[in-house]
Amino acid sequence: DIRMTQSPSSVSASVGDRVRITCRASQDISSSLGWYQQKAGKVPTLVIYSASSLESGVPSRFSGSGSGTYFTLTISSLQAEDVATYYCQQANSLPLTFGGGTKVEIK
Amino acid sequence: EVQLLESGGGLAQPGESLRLSCETSGFTFNTYAMSWVRQAPGKGLEWVSAIDNTDGHGTHYADSVKGRFTISRDGFRNTLYLQMDSLRVDDTAVYYCVRPRSSVPYTRYFDSWGQGTLVTVSS
Repeated sequence: DIRMTQSPSSVSASVGDRVRITCRASQDISSSLGWYQQKAGKVPTLVIYSASSLESGVPSRFSGSGSGTYFTLTISSLQAEDVATYYCQQANSLPLTFGGGTKVEIK
Repeated sequence: EVQLLESGGGLAQPGESLRLSCETSGFTFNTYAMSWVRQAPGKGLEWVSAIDNTDGHGTHYADSVKGRFTISRDGFRNTLYLQMDSLRVDDTAVYYCVRPRSSVPYTRYFDSWGQGTLVTVSS
């Protein structure tokens, strides 16, 4: 199975700050990487797919990059509504696997 | 509008069975592979199982549920199922029915999620 490792596990930043979350895969997954946002008590929503494609309706301050084994989700200017836990997910092969999550908070 | 509505969760004792259902609407169910994803209380997301669209007949499982859970689908009722047998305490979780963002085969990014149904396994 492909192991997905996210870091940091939590981050606290001010409104307007740039926030970066990283995700490492235990083997090459090409660009088969998605990012999900889960707000407290809510269902996860897809933010980024294929490593860098922005899902429809997602604000442009979100961006994704990377390929192979190293990926990044960037929030260019953190907003209060971005407080959530973010998960990466590899879509390269079954079983699909998720990272452990990164909790983003406002300082 | 895509809608996924899970049901069938509840309290079960270890070793017992439950059957989850996911009624779908708003899209051509038969053309999409479908999956179940679960989330234990306060924990992260875990993919559980997937089933191919009706053109294929493949089913796939996480090692943690293989041999105990069975995924199936009914194209006439537009409904996805998860039969859970030999339940264990660590199966306790919210179970989400999820649909990929495209019906293209091997699309494994999920843009549609149900509200989830809670399964609690406890003696």
